[in-house]
Amino acid sequence: KQEVTQIPAALSVPEGENLVLNCSFTDSAIYNLQWFRQDPGKGLTSLLLIQSSQREQTSGRLNASLDKSSGRSTLYIAASQPGDSATYLCAVRGTTDSWGKLQFGAGTQVVVTP
Amino acid sequence: SAVISQKPSRDICQRGTSLTIQCQVDSQVTMMFWYRQQPGQSLTLIATANQGSEATYESGFVIDKFPISRPNLTFSTLTVSNMSPEDSSIYLCSVESGKEQYFGPGTRLTVT
Repeated sequence: KQEVTQIPAALSVPEGENLVLNCSFTDSAIYNLQWFRQDPGKGLTSLLLIQSSQREQTSGRLNASLDKSSGRSTLYIAASQPGDSATYLCAVRGTTDSWGKLQFGAGTQVVVTP
Repeated sequence: SAVISQKPSRDICQRGTSLTIQCQVDSQVTMMFWYRQQPGQSLTLIATANQGSEATYESGFVIDKFPISRPNLTFSTLTVSNMSPEDSSIYLCSVESGKEQYFGPGTRLTVT
């Protein structure tokens, strides 16, 4: 059974610092991995999607890497801003999972202080 | 991409009652998915809803407790039946588009 772990559970940084969020998964047979952002009391916003054949994806200040063989993904957020404060979730879809079935980590709660 | 709306956004219900949550997508999709996020926990898939067929439930979830309707390719409902305080959660509707998963804003349910 796939297990997804996110470390740390919470992170507080001053504005301007780079953020590094980690996600690990136990089964390397994944189809893709997706990073989401969740604001308090709200739904999920998709940030980046990495297919299993890719090593990284970039969007603006965000960069996500994927090392399938070691079961790890890292989300980098450059030059953090207070508006980046949110919970960040990673989710994997296994090669044998049905469409739409994602295994989620518990998330990293990020606070960026002005 | 896909834009998803849900109604209601939140509700407070008494135990023993039922609540129906609506999900509307801005484009036609084959499958719609319902997730639950219990307080302090991550998301868990409840069921997959295909238009024209019965929903497929994940282990631990049953149709009598979470009946689902899928009358057309842009709409679905999830009912939480005979509610107990343990059903207090955020319920999220989701679709897949271009291999990417999109989520609605969620329905925050509190059962007293």
